[in-house]
Amino acid sequence: EVQLVESGGGLIQPGGSLRLSCAASGFTVSRNYMSWVRQAPGKGLEWLSVIYSGGSTYYADSVKGRFTISRDNSKNTLYLQMNSLRAEDTAVYYCAGDVALAYWGQGTLVTVSS
Amino acid sequence: DIQMTQSPSTLSASVGDRVTITCRASQSISTWLAWYQQKPGKAPKLLIYDASTLESGVPSRFSGSGSGTEFTLTISSLQPDDFATYYCQQYDTDPWTFGQGTKVEIK
Repeated sequence: EVQLVESGGGLIQPGGSLRLSCAASGFTVSRNYMSWVRQAPGKGLEWLSVIYSGGSTYYADSVKGRFTISRDNSKNTLYLQMNSLRAEDTAVYYCAGDVALAYWGQGTLVTVSS
Repeated sequence: DIQMTQSPSTLSASVGDRVTITCRASQSISTWLAWYQQKPGKAPKLLIYDASTLESGVPSRFSGSGSGTEFTLTISSLQPDDFATYYCQQYDTDPWTFGQGTKVEIK
């Protein structure tokens, strides 16, 4: 059974940094496309970033230059480093696996507020 | 970036109704399109990928069609468990993008 478990969310002040983790089991992060998707309160889904099996990375314009996706193959874990956080980054952040996002974590809430 | 536009934004329907949701892409995405169902407080669930392939375990009342720029998700006979929000998503071109969502409500 595939499980993706996000962690690292919390309350952070504007301008701060946070690193989210997504630990995978039953699924090999390095062999698959892995994405981050977020959902602001009461809003729709927003795709943020993908890392391909070959290592290429892509970002939505809204986070390009501020967020970095990466993975640790030895830990079978996906990361999202988030810098220069803004109030509008407040959302539930999901990791998702596969080209079509077949596997999802439960989400972790990031709140950016002073 | 490719813009994905869903219609309608909200749909009121009754159990047993046939329901169709449309998703339009701002440029051709071939069949690189997925549909998701999301219920409040839960992660999205993949229903359809490659525009028309039913994900394993998804009831056969769900179907998808289309190619290029116009796509549809059809629920042949709406069931109580189907009241939720549905999203389309393209994975043809980076950055990948979602539609704004269609909420299916009880009439």
